[in-house]
Amino acid sequence: RKEVEQDPGPFNVPEGATVAFNCTYSNSASQSFFWYRQDCRKEPKLLMSVYSSGNEDGRFTAQLNRASQYISLLIRDSKLSDSATYLCVVRGTDKLIFGTGTRLQVFP
Amino acid sequence: NAGVTQTPKFQVLKTGQSMTLQCAQDMNHNSMYWYRQDPGMGLRLIYYSASEGTTDKGEVPNGYNVSRLNKREFSLRLESAAPSQTSVYFCASSGMTGGDGYTFGSGTRLTVV
Repeated sequence: RKEVEQDPGPFNVPEGATVAFNCTYSNSASQSFFWYRQDCRKEPKLLMSVYSSGNEDGRFTAQLNRASQYISLLIRDSKLSDSATYLCVVRGTDKLIFGTGTRLQVFP
Repeated sequence: NAGVTQTPKFQVLKTGQSMTLQCAQDMNHNSMYWYRQDPGMGLRLIYYSASEGTTDKGEVPNGYNVSRLNKREFSLRLESAAPSQTSVYFCASSGMTGGDGYTFGSGTRLTVV
């Protein structure tokens, strides 16, 4: 079983839609969680951290469910510029562990 | 601009050739990492350096060596390139081992023919 698993997608949604991505992780002792964004042929960039109580950054909301060991990312009012691959990331003992990513394509 | 600088951006090698990928960061970060990214495989850790003077193997170290030259620089060497090493290589750094906010370089696209 992979340490971090994501649905690869692609998710094809119209502008203005709400879309949600889920991710599961295997190590119940993991303490830190993140979402990264990667544009085509570019490097990954930190989108937001994920806190136990849930957190929001503009149109983006991240949630953590420790009991079920899953993390979610909700994007409201999708923009064309949101088209990218979203990587679920979990902190391991001394390094970050990246999921393979979920691809989002927003169309006009 | 502060960040992580990787060179070269593109490289084509013949099987059996050697090369070194360079990485430098100017953020005074302690930890540095080398990843490779292949379609459908995500980012896989090759080697990392938690601090100056230390290096450790990651998930896929075979065929690679690394050198943490100083706090700023962390190089990745392919001694005898193989077609299986065709990939995009990313260097990253962080202020603490496994900590928040990895900063990635823009990547090196390597093709081995």
